[in-house]
Amino acid sequence: AQKITQTQPGMFVQEKEAVTLDCTYDTSDQSYGLFWYKQPSSGEMIFLIYQGSYDEQNATEGRYSLNFQKARKSANLVISASQLGDSAMYFCAMREGRSGGSNYKLTFGKGTLLTVNP
Amino acid sequence: NAGVTQTPKFQVLKTGQSMTLQCAQDMNHEYMSWYRQDPGMGLRLIHYSVGAGITDQGEVPNGYNVSRSTTEDFPLRLLSAAPSQTSVYFCASSPEGQGELDEQYFGPGTRLTVT
Repeated sequence: AQKITQTQPGMFVQEKEAVTLDCTYDTSDQSYGLFWYKQPSSGEMIFLIYQGSYDEQNATEGRYSLNFQKARKSANLVISASQLGDSAMYFCAMREGRSGGSNYKLTFGKGTLLTVNP
Repeated sequence: NAGVTQTPKFQVLKTGQSMTLQCAQDMNHEYMSWYRQDPGMGLRLIHYSVGAGITDQGEVPNGYNVSRSTTEDFPLRLLSAAPSQTSVYFCASSPEGQGELDEQYFGPGTRLTVT
């Protein structure tokens, strides 16, 4: 079974609108971390936002927020007020177990290609 | 700080050739790792290291070797290149002691083609 599932291969959004990118995960660990990375066409991996399994509040970083629903095992990324520069591939990733040691390993989803239309 | 650097940026190999992808970081991070990215597959972990002298296998280790003689460097060796190793390779590093946010810093990637 896939540990990270991103069901939307591609998404389109109009500039200035909000968009939600879906991510569901599968783990039996009580402690874990969820990450979102952005990969523009230039290829680099850019860290966006992090949510810990024990965090009671949803993470936010500027225009990015993470809609964390622990019981449903989902960690959707919400981008508000989309900009043309947001067009990129977006990856959801999970670290299982507590931070440290071999638990630095990340498992990635297959990604969602977001296109922002003017 | 240069962050995480990778060389070369591009490489073409013939089947059976060997080569080493270089990765270095100047942030004194203990944890380093190698991922490969294939179309439609996301990133998959090849090998990782939690400190100098310590390495372990990830999800797709076959055909690759690593060593970690210093904190700064974590080279990835392809022993006998195969077309299936055509991919984009990313090196990443992460410090300890960040608490739960063990953000990984990625290098710019190496695009490898094996013919």
